Amino acid sequence: GQNIDQPTEMTATEGAIVQINCTYQTSGFNGLFWYQQHAGEAPTFLSYNVLDGLEEKGRFSSFLSRSKGYSYLLLKELQMKDSASYLCAVRLSGNTPLVFGKGTRLSVIA
Amino acid sequence: DVKVTQSSRYLVKRTGEKVFLECVQDMDHENMFWYRQDPGLGLRLIYFSYDVKMKEKGDIPEGYSVSREKKERFSLILESASTNQTSMYLCASSSPNRGRNYGYTFGSGTRLTVV
Repeated sequence: GQNIDQPTEMTATEGAIVQINCTYQTSGFNGLFWYQQHAGEAPTFLSYNVLDGLEEKGRFSSFLSRSKGYSYLLLKELQMKDSASYLCAVRLSGNTPLVFGKGTRLSVIA
Repeated sequence: DVKVTQSSRYLVKRTGEKVFLECVQDMDHENMFWYRQDPGLGLRLIYFSYDVKMKEKGDIPEGYSVSREKKERFSLILESASTNQTSMYLCASSSPNRGRNYGYTFGSGTRLTVV
């Protein structure tokens, strides 16, 4: 089976930086996605990595190491509205469906 | 604004009822998916479709069926609803023709309660 691991919950302080890790052991790899999901809402796309390295997009960055089966999502200058679940997902090959981790619930406190 | 629309936000059904969850996308996407999301279990794939009249089983298809008669519409059917099908159901679409970075666009979800 496919295995994607993320911490279940994290708490961080407003204005701080938080790193959410994702490790994967899958039968194939053709890209890794991060989604944000606020409570009761649909997931929304944050980032995509297919090559090793860092992708930066405003306050959010995502890193990938394919050799280590590892990614992280970095959130800077945390705001209360960043309190949400963050989902890591892997596409195994070509046009196959995404396989999701169980998600990390992030709470931002004052 | 591109959209995936799920017909109901909240639904309450009785055990044994046949339930239809509808999903419509306006982005001309080829791929459509149905997931269910449960606390502690994450998103699990029920069925997906790459084209009209085409369907593939996901990881947990038991108790469900799907229909895709038109490109923009993908319906999930619970043949005889059971309490263990109480869940949040998420529809998503994507297209492989929009570059490698083609993630999903999700609908807003249907929270189904079976009593």
